[in-house]
Amino acid sequence: QQQVKQSPQSLIVQKGGISIINCAYENTAFDYFPWYQQFPGKGPALLIAIRPDVSEKKEGRFTISFNKSAKQFSLHIMDSQPGDSATYFCAASITGSARQLTFGSGTQLTVLP
Amino acid sequence: ETGVTQTPRHLVMGMTNKKSLKCEQHLGHNAMYWYKQSAKKPLELMFVYSLEERVENNSVPSRFSPECPNSSHLFLHLHTLQPEDSALYLCASSLDRVREKLFFGSGTQLSVL
Repeated sequence: QQQVKQSPQSLIVQKGGISIINCAYENTAFDYFPWYQQFPGKGPALLIAIRPDVSEKKEGRFTISFNKSAKQFSLHIMDSQPGDSATYFCAASITGSARQLTFGSGTQLTVLP
Repeated sequence: ETGVTQTPRHLVMGMTNKKSLKCEQHLGHNAMYWYKQSAKKPLELMFVYSLEERVENNSVPSRFSPECPNSSHLFLHLHTLQPEDSALYLCASSLDRVREKLFFGSGTQLSVL
């Protein structure tokens, strides 16, 4: 049973556009929601993370929006650049339990020049 | 560089071969993980080691055998694999098993013929 559902599977955006990736979770005990970025030939790397005490977190061009009542969270990439082309994974876990980190199935983002 | 090194980067093996994957972390972390990454699927946690003790084994077939001789090294011994085991195998580490930030290596791309 997949506990974190991610969409879309792939996304193509023009340079300068906004990329939006969505995730939904089922386990209401989750309280830590990271996003990982993976370039071809590399392992995933933590991009940004949020906890449910805030509804939004911004780091540079990357923003996480969190909706606790809907059990959804999303990644917004503003002013998307070709260098942002990568696979993005959302994840969720319970604080204090790294081994419980549950990943989404990934979104392959392509930003056209 | 993430500080987590995996070798080899690519491996092709027959179903009757025995091989090992190696992971080394230079971050002073105390928890290490093996993940399996298959196309269009969520990352699957296979094993977790904390202070050299295995603390998680997610119903992984016995043809995968992990070894953690010290907190910096992790091995995954492979024998009599099946073609469906072909995937990217990722090693990760974290400060300890309750800290959620994972640092991944670049992975070993395994093909089983």
